[in-house]
Formats: sequence, structure tokens, C-alpha cells
Amino acid sequence: DAKTTQPNSMESNEEEPVHLPCNHSTISGTDYIHWYRQLPSQGPEYVIHGLTSNVNNRMASLAIAEDRKSSTLILHRATLRDAAVYYCILRARGGSNYKLTFGKGTLLTVNP
Amino acid sequence: NAGVTQTPKFRILKIGQSMTLQCTQDMNHNYMYWYRQDPGMGLKLIYYSVGAGITDKGEVPNGYNVSRSTTEDFPLRLELAAPSQTSVYFCASRETGEGSYEQYFGPGTRLTVT
Repeated sequence: DAKTTQPNSMESNEEEPVHLPCNHSTISGTDYIHWYRQLPSQGPEYVIHGLTSNVNNRMASLAIAEDRKSSTLILHRATLRDAAVYYCILRARGGSNYKLTFGKGTLLTVNP
Repeated sequence: NAGVTQTPKFRILKIGQSMTLQCTQDMNHNYMYWYRQDPGMGLKLIYYSVGAGITDKGEVPNGYNVSRSTTEDFPLRLELAAPSQTSVYFCASRETGEGSYEQYFGPGTRLTVT
């Protein structure tokens, strides 16, 4: 599986935008970019995913570089509830098991 | 829908004891997964199943066994518990097909082996 690199931790203030980076220089043309987050003492939850184009949903936006070697998860207005570990994961398109490989992720702290 | 449910929430085992972690989903998902998460680390895949009667090993299967007799249930069995199996265990499920993209996770079981 292609590897992702994320900062260990980031800090933000409440109601400000947050940009969480992810490098994936060995991404293949058929890899999806997924983001999950894990709130304290909970299981991970899906945030967003994309392949080539930027994506928006109710939770966040995903900006994908033109060469696909990096991506950025954007939280438009951070709230205290967004404090979590954010995982950037590559998943190969197709295949028979849809496995996800989690790294250590980025611990986001949101200050009031 | 309850989603993915796991029991128990917490358990303390003595070295050498055995136990079964239960996982049930009510979304009729074919794909189910067991992960473990050690402190400060990401999740590691233990076993997965692509449907009833079909299971396969993940990244860290040693010391564990699984079975999948129904679509809804995917129990994880620990035989001869060891301190290295102290961890938080998460079960997840997913629909079949590329059009479906989300794994749904349960709340986890926190296991301590002493």
C-alpha cells in the first residue's frame, strides 16, 4: 500500500479554518484518498474521500493537488467537537476487500 | 438502525484466559473487519470477512480467530490471552461495491490482560 505522511499534531482556534495536510508521493493512479477522524474514546468515523477533483461535503472539504502527491483536509470553522485524530488513508480502487491502512494520523487540538 | 455494536465495552483478562469479543451490524453489510489500536498508534487490521462463511487474515492475526456464520455477526476469539493483546478492539462494516466508500465503526472494546 502507498504510504501517507501527516504532521503528528496541529493546533487551531475555535471558529477559525483548519488545513490538515497529507503527503502521498507514491500514490498510484487508482488510489482513492480517504479521511477519517477519531474523536476521544470513540471509533473512527468517515469524513470525506476523493480521487482527482476537490470534494465538499457537510463536514469538510478535500483539496487534492494536481499531481495527486498531496492533499489537504479543510475544516471551514473549527469547533471544540472537531478535536480529534485525523487519518489520511489511501485505498486502492477495485480489489476484493476494501481494506484501510491507518497510520498515526494528526492530533488536532482546538482552543476555545 | 443501531449500526455496529460491540460487547463488552471493557474487560480484564488474566494471562492464559480466553474470551470472545462480539460484533453485530444491522445494515446488511457483507464486509466486516476487526482492528486493534494500541496507545498512541493507528488501527491495525486483525481479520476481515467479505461475507458469511468467508474470512481472511489481516496484518496482525496471530493469537486471534474469527468466524462468520451470519451476515450480521463477526465474533473475534482470543485464545490464551497475553499482555501483548492489551488494546482497544474495533469492529467495522462496509457495503459491497466501489460506489459505497465508508467503513462504519463500532464503539470499541477496551481489553486489559494482566
